[in-house]
Amino acid sequence: QKEVEQNSGPLSVPEGAIASLNCTYSDRGSQSFFWYRQYSGKSPELIMSIYSNGDKEDGRFTAQLNKASQYVSLLIRDSQPSDSATYLCAVSGPGGFKTIFGAGTRLFVKA
Amino acid sequence: NAGVMQNPRHLVRRRGQEARLRCSPMKGHSHVYWYRQLPEEGLKFMVYLQKENIIDESGMPKERFSAEFPKEGPSILRIQQVVRGDSAAYFCASSPPLQPSGNTIYFGEGSWLTVV
Repeated sequence: QKEVEQNSGPLSVPEGAIASLNCTYSDRGSQSFFWYRQYSGKSPELIMSIYSNGDKEDGRFTAQLNKASQYVSLLIRDSQPSDSATYLCAVSGPGGFKTIFGAGTRLFVKA
Repeated sequence: NAGVMQNPRHLVRRRGQEARLRCSPMKGHSHVYWYRQLPEEGLKFMVYLQKENIIDESGMPKERFSAEFPKEGPSILRIQQVVRGDSAAYFCASSPPLQPSGNTIYFGEGSWLTVV
């Protein structure tokens, strides 16, 4: 079983729509959860971090965490063509020593 | 630039040569991580280091790969006798000392290794 699983996509949404990205993880002891964005040929860039159950909002981005279901999601409101990228879900275990990444979901926002 | 610094950005090596990738963490950060990303694949954890200590090298291939983070100077990822399958992007990340709330890591721009 993969430690962090994401739908590889591609996920295609029209400009202005809500994009919903999902992630599940296998280690129940995981404590820290992150979403990174990676443009082709570039390095990952941190978008959001979330540590407790519930929602966390930052601008057009909302991260949702459900530890009981071992599920993390990222909502992008008012999607823009510039949001087209690969979104990486990342999970860090107890002590935070090792951050494990999912394979990423490709998002395309059509103008 | 106070970010994570990696060099070289691009490196071409012939099969059998050695590749050395360097990483200077963000100011104030004491933890360094190396990840590898093969074309069209996700980020794979390789190794986590603090100064003069390897904390977790569970993702490092058993042969040809080594990493260090000396007391002075950058962290080095060394690949000996490179093969074509080593061609990938190698990302370094750093984080501050661990906090109870979590451990956010920040990436450098990456080093792209091509083995010909």
